[in-house]
Amino acid sequence: AAGVIQSPRHLIKEKRETATLKCYPIPRHDTVYWYQQGPGQDPQFLISFYEKMQSDKGSIPDRFSAQQFSDYHSELNMSSLELGDSALYFCASRLAGEHEQFFGPGTRLTVL
Amino acid sequence: AQKVTQAQTEISVVEKEDVTLDCVYETRDTTYYLFWYKQPPSGELVFLIRRNSFDEQNEISGRYSWNFQKSTSSFNFTITASQVVDSAVYFCALSGVRYSSASKIIFGSGTRLSIRP
Repeated sequence: AAGVIQSPRHLIKEKRETATLKCYPIPRHDTVYWYQQGPGQDPQFLISFYEKMQSDKGSIPDRFSAQQFSDYHSELNMSSLELGDSALYFCASRLAGEHEQFFGPGTRLTVL
Repeated sequence: AQKVTQAQTEISVVEKEDVTLDCVYETRDTTYYLFWYKQPPSGELVFLIRRNSFDEQNEISGRYSWNFQKSTSSFNFTITASQVVDSAVYFCALSGVRYSSASKIIFGSGTRLSIRP
């Protein structure tokens, strides 16, 4: 069965650079979530989209922005990267009306 | 506000021992979902179980079992006859049920389980 796809799987950036993480949900899933997991931490909700509209927002820095496109894939844009942005970023997708979120394998971002 | 507490930061047991991971949650929702996820060293989140707040029946899946007690807001996870491959970080999590918009998952801080040979 198709799963959530995240790219890239690993990303290394310098401070003050920008990064774009991509998420391709399971086919027919219309809801996407982004989570950030710092080293030794639990995943923290950043933002979610339903039918291409932002549906909820968590502790997402102003330097980050995200959107969901017409094909339901989502991109998380991160600017002016800081050392503290180094983390594992998970995307999850869900079909509205269903209760389970399916997590992608994550993108490991390292900021040097 | 929703909150999940996993008081056990780290647990270490010898292989074949039984081990229980505790989880206590807080929510004002009358309908909600509880989850357990496993995160091995490779980093992916492996879904283990989802439990609806209306279903307090305990569940067993092989060596894994879950005890959901609404009266004490607890959702504990027991591994019987633990194996080295069970070594991982385990997260308990909570989600509300909202059909009209997305519902985020709130994770506990995780319990790092080490199984010694």
